[in-house]
Order: sequence, then structure tokens, then C-alpha cells
Amino acid sequence: DADVTQTPRNRITKTGKRIMLECSQTKGHDRMYWYRQDPGLGLRLIYYSFDVKDINKGEISDGYSVSRQAQAKFSLSLESAIPNQTALYFCATSDFMGTSGGPVSYNEQFFGPGTRLTVL
Amino acid sequence: GESVGLHLPTLSVQEGDNSIINCAYSNSASDYFIWYKQESGKGPQFIIDIRSNMDKRQGQRVTVLLNKTVKHLSLQIAATQPGDSAVYFCAETSRSSYKLIFGSGTRLLVRP
Repeated sequence: DADVTQTPRNRITKTGKRIMLECSQTKGHDRMYWYRQDPGLGLRLIYYSFDVKDINKGEISDGYSVSRQAQAKFSLSLESAIPNQTALYFCATSDFMGTSGGPVSYNEQFFGPGTRLTVL
Repeated sequence: GESVGLHLPTLSVQEGDNSIINCAYSNSASDYFIWYKQESGKGPQFIIDIRSNMDKRQGQRVTVLLNKTVKHLSLQIAATQPGDSAVYFCAETSRSSYKLIFGSGTRLLVRP
């Protein structure tokens, strides 16, 4: 299934270049997220958006910016890429419902396939 | 800061055996926990979740145990199969947070 898609899947770029990673979802979720994953580490949150007009910084937002063009689209930009931004990037979405069928508010997130970015 | 961590970075098991993956969390305010499976080249995939008002929850071949006293989570996989080979992450969140905090992951290797 391709409920959450990311483009490109792989990208090699040079230091100083501007890069945009795109995420689209067909799940109809309001909430979207961008994470970064480094080898041997878990996912770290870069930015998140609860709706088109609500964008928030995560724990590692420096050097990144985002744009929520529509409910279904959330883009991540590196204005001037640097080598330590080489990583795997994941987009995720969530609704305001848990999978346990109980009260709302739990935050199950659905992830895209990832974009592998290499900055030389 | 608060974090979620794992005791074992790599676990190797024989096909057919049971696997146990452990996770420690430090945020006592967390009240919802999720286990994700990440296969090579793919994004994390939801496996099972548990709320803090539960000690145990079972899925098809998986069981999650929560010990709030020692802030410990475990994922048990019964009759481990080659397709279970992946990296497994625990994650925590709370009603007040809306964000997931991920552990660093455990790699599960299944020997034929």
C-alpha cells in the first residue's frame, strides 16, 4: 500500500545546495511529521504539523524548514545542505485516534518509506 | 531530557524460538507505548500498542508487557520466523505530548 509516499527515495547532493523532500498522504489525516534517522539511533522529530495552519518545531529543527501546502502534502527543505544532514528521512501521519478503539487522543503514526539523503 | 532506551542493540535467535526485546523508558508521564518494526529500506510499521492502564496486550504472535513500577516494556515474539528479522523500536507518548519519543532500536536476527 502507498498511503504515505515520499519523493525522492534517494538523493545525493553537494554541500550548500538547497534540497526539498516531499511527502504526500492519502489517509486523510490532519497531522503530519518529519523525522530524521541516523545509523544506530532512533527517529528524531524535525517538524510537525497538526493542520495546514499549524506548524511546530521538533527537537532538531535547526537547518530545516517545512511547508504544509495542503492537508495531504508536507515538504521538508534543507536551505543549505551540510554533510551532517546525511541521514534517512521519514514522513509520518496520524489521526487523533488510537488503534485500541478507545477514547481519542493517542498518537499512532503511519510512516512513509523514507528518503535516503547523502550530502557530500 | 526524557528518553526511551533499549538494553540490547542486537538479538540473534533460532528460527522457531521465542524472542524477547526489551525497552526502558524514563518519562513517568508517558501513558501510551508502541512497538514498531522496521525492515530494511522501509519505514517503521506499527506492531502493537499498550496503554498505561494495562500490563499485557496480545496480538497474533506478539505480546507486549508493561511494568510501570520499573518503567520497562518488552515485546515477545512467539515462534520467531525469518520474516521477523528487522529493527524493532519502542516509542512512548502521552496525552499531553502528542509527540512520539523513540528508542534507538534493537536489531533482531533470525537464524535458519
